[in-house]
Order: sequence, then structure tokens, then C-alpha cells
Amino acid sequence: GAGVSQSPSNKVTEKGKDVELRCDPISGHTALYWYRQSLGQGLEFLIYFQGNSAPDKSGLPSDRFSAERTGGSVSTLTIQRTQQEDSAVYLCASSWGVLETQYFGPGTRLLVL
Amino acid sequence: AQSVTQLGSHVSVSEGALVLLRCNYSSSVPPYLFWYVQYPNQGLQLLLKYTSAATLVKGINGFEAEFKKSETSFHLTKPSAHMSDAAEYFCAVSDKVRFGNEKLTFGTGTRLTIIP
Repeated sequence: GAGVSQSPSNKVTEKGKDVELRCDPISGHTALYWYRQSLGQGLEFLIYFQGNSAPDKSGLPSDRFSAERTGGSVSTLTIQRTQQEDSAVYLCASSWGVLETQYFGPGTRLLVL
Repeated sequence: AQSVTQLGSHVSVSEGALVLLRCNYSSSVPPYLFWYVQYPNQGLQLLLKYTSAATLVKGINGFEAEFKKSETSFHLTKPSAHMSDAAEYFCAVSDKVRFGNEKLTFGTGTRLTIIP
């Protein structure tokens, strides 16, 4: 389909390992967002890209979290030295641009053991 | 800072009855407001959004919401509930004035159960 896709759909990892989560936005969408959905915190904003630059990284919980976007398309969210509290569903969304409707992907369910 | 409060983490209604999900917002500037629905094991889907064009907004699946500035509310309604409406519903706000601050701030969600 033509929606936002994310991979993997599920990821189980051991505490201390690094993980990479991938988001493929809708073709042509210039804005890309990462959110985290967890039982304790609800839905939280992590980071936002306009093109390849990230004007707003205010939601990244710690310096273990980083994200990049290349070619104005695919984005990767990396979590280094994972902790159990990182367990959550990581959602990606994209939009045509500023203040346009955000379309969400199905999410990556991360479990840190 | 903007915030959203959803009253009632769980709401149950009978099939065919009125659905009312409450959302109140706090924003220092005129907001954009959204309702998203999340079905089990699926991503978020936009139901409707308010962008200051009309205070009564109609969305998909028969849902609508009314923006009331005086009450800082954006409640979601549907006249007649259907079994397929069972899902979790999220209200969200975005600051439409401040360029570069396009993140959505979500409420904690309301899980809607439909009683046959």
C-alpha cells in the first residue's frame, strides 16, 4: 500500500544492546515524526524532521536516543544501550509539511528483557 | 505549553446509543485539534481535525466534534454506536502559530467498549 511502513513490527532485545527502528514515510511527505507509546507515559513526541533536518529533538528521552533521515525519505531511530524502560511501541508518522495531517504507521513494538 | 485532558479512560455504551468522548485542551495560542482512533494492534488513524474553518467538524465513520473556545473543549460524538467503534480514541493538540513546533501533544486516551 501507500501508507507509512515501519520495520521491524516486533523487536525483542537484551538490556544493553543497541536497536535500530526504521520508518518509510508516504512518498512525497516532507515531514516525519517519531512518537513513543508506553503504558506509563501514553503517547509522547520524540523528534520531528523537516526534510533531512530535525528542528525539534525536544522529546528524545536521553542521549542514548538518536535519529536520522536521509534523502528526505527513510528515517532510522537508534536506541543505544537499551534499558527495560525503553520497552514501548515506537510510532512513526509523516505529513506533506508544516501543520498538515500526520499519517501514522503501524508501529514497532520493542521489548527489552 | 499545550496539553490535552481526556475525561474517562474507559467508556462503555450500548450498541445504538450515543457516544460522547470528552476532550479539553490548554493552549496559549489558537490550536489545531485532532481526534485519532487506534484499533487493536494497529496504528493511529485520523478521525477528524479542527483547523479554525468551522467549529463543527465531521469526520469518518459518522463521528463529529465541536470546538467550543469558551469551554476549551473538543468533545467527540456519534449519534449511534456500532460494534466496530470499539477502539481507543486519542485527542491531540498542535500549536498552529509557532512554525517549527508541529508536534502533536496527545491526551491519555479513552478506551471505548460497545455493549451488544
